[in-house]
Amino acid sequence: EAGVAQSPRYKIIEKRQSVAFWCNPISGHATLYWYQQILGQGPKLLIQFQNNGVVDDSQLPKDRFSAERLKGVDSTLKIQPAKLEDSAVYLCASSLDPVIGVNYGYTFGSGTRLTVV
Amino acid sequence: SQKIEQNSEALNIQEGKTATLTCNYTNYSPAYLQWYRQDPGRGPVFLLLIRENEKEKRKERLKVTFDTTLKQSLFHITASQPADSATYLCALITGGGNKLTFGTGTQLKVEL
Repeated sequence: EAGVAQSPRYKIIEKRQSVAFWCNPISGHATLYWYQQILGQGPKLLIQFQNNGVVDDSQLPKDRFSAERLKGVDSTLKIQPAKLEDSAVYLCASSLDPVIGVNYGYTFGSGTRLTVV
Repeated sequence: SQKIEQNSEALNIQEGKTATLTCNYTNYSPAYLQWYRQDPGRGPVFLLLIRENEKEKRKERLKVTFDTTLKQSLFHITASQPADSATYLCALITGGGNKLTFGTGTQLKVEL
């Protein structure tokens, strides 16, 4: 099966600009996560969707970050306006459902590397 | 505060030896713990799951232990090979299986 697709692979923007990332999970996967991974650190959860509903967005900086998953399939994460500290890799992960994710792990995309200058 | 800590220093070992990586956590009560491997420029890849009522789990050259009293998991790679060189991440699962929280990761380098 095809993996989790993310685009773009790389993005360089100036601070205060806006940027959007796209994720297409594995077909049929209802659970979708966005993570932020700063260089040298572990991934930090930003938001979790179950189908098109938000399960957890407690760590999403809502003053500048937003995410949506309109039809319960692909998802976009937006930053507006970007700050220097937003430079990181943004990872998308999915699973059929939380139980499958627990037992068989979550499948991650290769991420989008964002550099804010 | 809640923390998941892994060896911050990179671990360098010789080929053929056993690598042991540590994951310590505070102020969590995870029902499950997963280990992932991450190569440069790639997303994490799932390796193993261990449940809170399991002491040990094995898969080929990998072994994971889980001590809920010590709040610690150990991850062992036996007969290590240069191809095992990567960053290894532990992840706790809480919130009824919904929330996956990662540790800081340990970089492993296996030398010839």
